[in-house]
Amino acid sequence: NAGVTQTPKFQVLKTGQSMTLQCAQDMNHNSMYWYRQDPGMGLRLIYYSASEGTTDKGEVPNGYNVSRLNKREFSLRLESAAPSQTSVYFCASSDGRSSGNTIYFGEGSWLTVV
Amino acid sequence: EDKVVQSPLSLVVHEGDTVTLNCSYEVTNFRSLLWYKQEKKAPTFLFMLTSSGIEKKSGRLSSILDKKELFSILNITATQTGDSAIYLCAVRNFGNEKLTFGTGTRLTIIP
Repeated sequence: NAGVTQTPKFQVLKTGQSMTLQCAQDMNHNSMYWYRQDPGMGLRLIYYSASEGTTDKGEVPNGYNVSRLNKREFSLRLESAAPSQTSVYFCASSDGRSSGNTIYFGEGSWLTVV
Repeated sequence: EDKVVQSPLSLVVHEGDTVTLNCSYEVTNFRSLLWYKQEKKAPTFLFMLTSSGIEKKSGRLSSILDKKELFSILNITATQTGDSAIYLCAVRNFGNEKLTFGTGTRLTIIP
């Protein structure tokens, strides 16, 4: 049971470099999310995708782009990394059930921009 | 814009104390409110609440939702050092499936 898999787990980038965080889920979920978490703070929504083919901005979308490639995969791209994007990134997916735990998280990607 | 506010931001108590964590929200098309515990890595699920006044309980943890006043509380009784963590509250919308988290409460239990 892989659940939600995100890669890479750790990455160091130089300012101005680009990179893509990959996320895949094998639970046939419709909704997928990308969050960032900074020290002492909760999870802030970057982008989400309610279903295949749709994406919407969250609270902090600036500097990021996303692609919902298919139902399984939802990638997050930093076109020109900035030190302010140093953070821990979590991908999540949801099955939309009305009861119980419906959100499943990846293990996180630690990104440092120098 | 959807908003979830947690208080206090941090809390330090002694082992054995009882704590109450608060979560208030303003969202369009409320569907559910969820509580998570986060230690070192990804958040782990605690409770999901959809109806007012019905307490959810798991061991020493319990939670309740008030949809009229738009808040929820998470209670932890007889705290232990293993309860030290960040506690996150999130609300979910109908329709667009947006899931918004609060800033979290960092709970520290002193032996």
